[in-house]
Amino acid sequence: GAGVSQSPSNKVTEKGKDVELRCDPISGHTALYWYRQSLGQGLEFLIYFQGNSAPDKSGLPSDRFSAERTGGSVSTLTIQRTQQEDSAVYLCASSLDRPRSGNTIYFGEGSWLTVV
Amino acid sequence: SQQGEEDPQALSIQEGENATMNCSYKTSINNLQWYRQNSGRGLVHLILIRSNEREKHSGRLRVTLDTSKKSSSLLITASRAADTASYFCARPVTGNQFYFGTGTSLTVIP
Repeated sequence: GAGVSQSPSNKVTEKGKDVELRCDPISGHTALYWYRQSLGQGLEFLIYFQGNSAPDKSGLPSDRFSAERTGGSVSTLTIQRTQQEDSAVYLCASSLDRPRSGNTIYFGEGSWLTVV
Repeated sequence: SQQGEEDPQALSIQEGENATMNCSYKTSINNLQWYRQNSGRGLVHLILIRSNEREKHSGRLRVTLDTSKKSSSLLITASRAADTASYFCARPVTGNQFYFGTGTSLTVIP
């Protein structure tokens, strides 16, 4: 596609339920990132996928969070047993190559998650 | 933050004035990027500057990089109300992350 596509754009869920957030990166981009942003805050790194390499999961805040990337393209971020503190905008981004290669990162519009 | 800061955290100026925001970083970098974010949604790429560059221009935007001071600045000249947004600098850090600080919230008053 022309840009990074995320769905749903908004999700309201009850505490304790599981949610799945989807990201469709720009075609041909090998790097895919998930970030989380709470209201008025900076971006918090969650996970990074690069080609067929093992993902960098160092930013995932707890074992309730997981992500996968199928076929090197679409990625799904899953949050199990959601808590109110999980409420945030979840931003997906992709780039042609690794961060230190100087490639522009392209962001999706984000998925706004509200846990009630 | 261990990765650096942006300042100021908030900036309010009149339309037509220039806006300057700064970004510091801690580790060596080979590139630094500036982004704009409207209304808490997706970030839009503005400028990438490489470590061997000192200044870069794009329209009304000017970015400088001082590797000796580990700092960068973004200057928006002749600001417009539509420039109201949050501005972030992204620096590659160890591993596979880009570190984004808390950004500078710019308000341009018509």
